Amino acid sequence: KAGVTQTPRYLIKTRGQQVTLSCSPISGHRSVSWYQQTPGQGLQFLFEYFSETQRNKGNFPGRFSGRQFSNSRSEMNVSTLELGDSALYLCASSLEFGGEYQETQYFGPGTRLLVL
Amino acid sequence: AQSVTQPDIHITVSEGASLELRCNYSYGATPYLFWYVQSPGQGLQLLLKYFSGDTLVQGIKGFEAEFKRSQSSFNLRKPSVHWSDAAEYFCAVGPPPSGTYKYIFGTGTRLKVLA
Repeated sequence: KAGVTQTPRYLIKTRGQQVTLSCSPISGHRSVSWYQQTPGQGLQFLFEYFSETQRNKGNFPGRFSGRQFSNSRSEMNVSTLELGDSALYLCASSLEFGGEYQETQYFGPGTRLLVL
Repeated sequence: AQSVTQPDIHITVSEGASLELRCNYSYGATPYLFWYVQSPGQGLQLLLKYFSGDTLVQGIKGFEAEFKRSQSSFNLRKPSVHWSDAAEYFCAVGPPPSGTYKYIFGTGTRLKVLA
């Protein structure tokens, strides 16, 4: 079974631009979460989607948004990019059907975003 | 508030030596506990998890972890470290099924292995 995939793997943008990152979960997984990882702040939760609905959201400004499609693929968008948005953005998926597999998240390789 | 603490930011061990990475959590109930490893430039790989039952759990790559409720700890151990274990290790806590679906990660411990 293929793992979580994220595209693109690397991205360079300039301040003020917007960016869209994509995540394809493991087949059968319905929950997708997004995290921002920076050296200073570590791993911070952005938001989580389940069955096309945002269920949880971290403490990020409204410039950060996301959505999930009917096939569970997810995208996150960052508008009006700032230098501080440079980070590794990680996507994780999980089954969400209960039992011991519930709540185990499997991570993709991440998208490294550099804002100049 | 829920939190995860990894008190050691950096740890250096010699190849072949034993390893223990510490993780303490603050949580209102018995959490789901995880250890992940991240190699440079890569995503996170699940090493092991604890949901319930036996408090000593075995994971991949020869790692194990022990859940100690009385100490609110979930320390990761390996009896003999290999050079390829050099990476960053994250402890995480997840909520029970009825809770808010959100993972909390520790700040990570970077492991350096000396030849």
